Amino acid sequence: DTAVSQTPKYLVTQMGNDKSIKCEQNLGHDTMYWYKQDSKKFLKIMFSYNNKELIINETVPNRFSPKSPDKAHLNLHINSLELGDSAVYFCASSQEAGGAFLKNTEAFFGQGTRLTVV
Amino acid sequence: DQQVKQNSPSLSVQEGRISILNCDYTNSMFDYFLWYKKYPAEGPTFLISISSIKDKNEDGRFTVFLNKSAKHLSLHIVPSQPGDSAVYFCAARLSTSYGKLTFGQGTILTVHP
Repeated sequence: DTAVSQTPKYLVTQMGNDKSIKCEQNLGHDTMYWYKQDSKKFLKIMFSYNNKELIINETVPNRFSPKSPDKAHLNLHINSLELGDSAVYFCASSQEAGGAFLKNTEAFFGQGTRLTVV
Repeated sequence: DQQVKQNSPSLSVQEGRISILNCDYTNSMFDYFLWYKKYPAEGPTFLISISSIKDKNEDGRFTVFLNKSAKHLSLHIVPSQPGDSAVYFCAARLSTSYGKLTFGQGTILTVHP
């Protein structure tokens, strides 16, 4: 019973194509994220959605468009794929609402989607 | 501008010994720190965390130490086991940042039997 699941796990596609990665969480969390792990293994945040509202957009090219149909889902659509988009993309979720300062929250990550653009 | 740094790309330790993984940060506004463990082809898994009001947090074999004045934290694993072999990521956040984590580049830990 996976907490954060994303599909597909592997995606190989040609330059110029459009592709989507789906993510679902069953933890009841109110915030979801997309992170990118590049070839140098750095994990960097791309987007954050809180209750379906975009909160963080880390200067990601507008070819990347996240969509959150509800609190449990955050999909990532990528237009006109480029070679440099090849990376592992991780979806994550956490519970941010609560109001307590320095509350103990941690993000739960999906297994990742390895995108290869050829 | 790498605000969280793990300067050791790899660490090799004998089973039963202590593993010490280090992490430095530059942003003094960070007030919550986490360690994640990652196996190949899997997502990062939360291991242990510490808030900036503490200097130590312990959970079984894992202890995280925070030195705010030095902007340094470390993860101690005692005793180390072969199953601990993985990539360990240090991460930091602001409690007001809607969960945005800033990660270090990771340290590959290998525990030899």
